[in-house]
Amino acid sequence: DAGVTQSPTHLIKTRGQHVTLRCSPISGHKSVSWYQQVLGQGPQFIFQYYEKEERGRGNFPDRFSARQFPNYSSELNVNALLLGDSALYLCASSLQGQTNYGYTFGSGTRLTVV
Amino acid sequence: RKEVEQDPGPFNVPEGATVAFNCTYSNSASQSFFWYRQDCRKEPKLLMSVYSSGNEDGRFTAQLNRASQYISLLIRDSKLSDSATYLCVVSFLTGGFKTIFGAGTRLFVKA
Repeated sequence: DAGVTQSPTHLIKTRGQHVTLRCSPISGHKSVSWYQQVLGQGPQFIFQYYEKEERGRGNFPDRFSARQFPNYSSELNVNALLLGDSALYLCASSLQGQTNYGYTFGSGTRLTVV
Repeated sequence: RKEVEQDPGPFNVPEGATVAFNCTYSNSASQSFFWYRQDCRKEPKLLMSVYSSGNEDGRFTAQLNRASQYISLLIRDSKLSDSATYLCVVSFLTGGFKTIFGAGTRLFVKA
């Protein structure tokens, strides 16, 4: 069975540009979360979506937005990229939003902003 | 105060040693608790969920103390393959659902 898949795996963008990252959850999982991880730190929560609705948002500026589609896949969009947005962006899926069973992560998209 | 704080690392231990990690969280409404393991340049992987009654999985034991708002992870008989970063994770529903990761504790197990 396919796990959580993210695309692209690597991306280089210029300051001021826009980027769209994509995530497909494990089949049957209805919740997708997005995280940003910079080197040496734990993942920082950006968004959680469940049943196509935003259920949680972390402390990120409005330049960050996301959505979840009817097939439960998700996109993370970042506008007006800054150098500080360079990071590993992780997507995680779970059966439902609130879970005691944890979250399964994709291998991430490594974004470099130059 | 950070929402989730972990022991500063790194921990350097010999094979066969027992090592314990602690983690504290600030939101008393926290509902779900986990330990994740992350290898260098890889995604985090779930090690175990943490329940109030405590739970054990082989050499790993996790404990949750809601009154003191801390979580612990005990690794017995450390293996070289246990070398990784261990992340404490807390989820809560306050002003929307959030999942907060600690900064992680690096473990080096040496022969």
